[in-house]
Amino acid sequence: EPEVTQTPSHQVTQMGQEVILRCVPISNHLYFYWYRQILGQKVEFLVSFYNNEISEKSEIFDDQFSVERPDGSNFTLKIRSTKLEDSAMYFCASRLAGGPVQAGELFFGEGSRLTVL
Amino acid sequence: GQQLNQSPQSMFIQEGEDVSMNCTSSSIFNTWLWYKQEPGEGPVLLIALYKAGELTSNGRLTAQFGITRKDSFLNISASIPSDVGIYFCAGGGIYKLSFGAGTTVTVRA
Repeated sequence: EPEVTQTPSHQVTQMGQEVILRCVPISNHLYFYWYRQILGQKVEFLVSFYNNEISEKSEIFDDQFSVERPDGSNFTLKIRSTKLEDSAMYFCASRLAGGPVQAGELFFGEGSRLTVL
Repeated sequence: GQQLNQSPQSMFIQEGEDVSMNCTSSSIFNTWLWYKQEPGEGPVLLIALYKAGELTSNGRLTAQFGITRKDSFLNISASIPSDVGIYFCAGGGIYKLSFGAGTTVTVRA
């Protein structure tokens, strides 16, 4: 069964360092997302990406964050200068565009845990 | 952002009992989805609802998309130990899902 894969599974970094989280969405999916979940809290939307541009972003997704689809398979989230409060689980998700059956279904990766010290 | 109110926040249930949880919102959604998350893993889709009034089952799970399109409930019948986890509702807009805060289910054997 196709799945969304994420790397690394866990990254520990020093405050102020740059971090890149990588995702390989399901191959025929066209919409890509990043969500984050601070420990014990709900899953929060960060950004959606379609047709090589950001479709929507939340207030959390400030200038320290960026996303990129550098090739046909990877979808990355970069945090330029990490802060302590960026410590969270970051989930990548993708969905197939078009048609009412597929439209609402997001498939999530297993997440990348980021710990900022 | 769009706020979803999910309740209850947590529940302890006896094995074999039925479980019910719900989500409400002040916003209308085109889609309601229910996910389950286990420790250290990403949310896994349980049920997807696409039409107001729709009632859908997946094994022991039943979910409904409220007629007003502002609410949904999830029922789990005859709970078993593997039902333990956090259940999230999510309302679907055009570009994203907005998640509820989750219902933590703990089953007493």
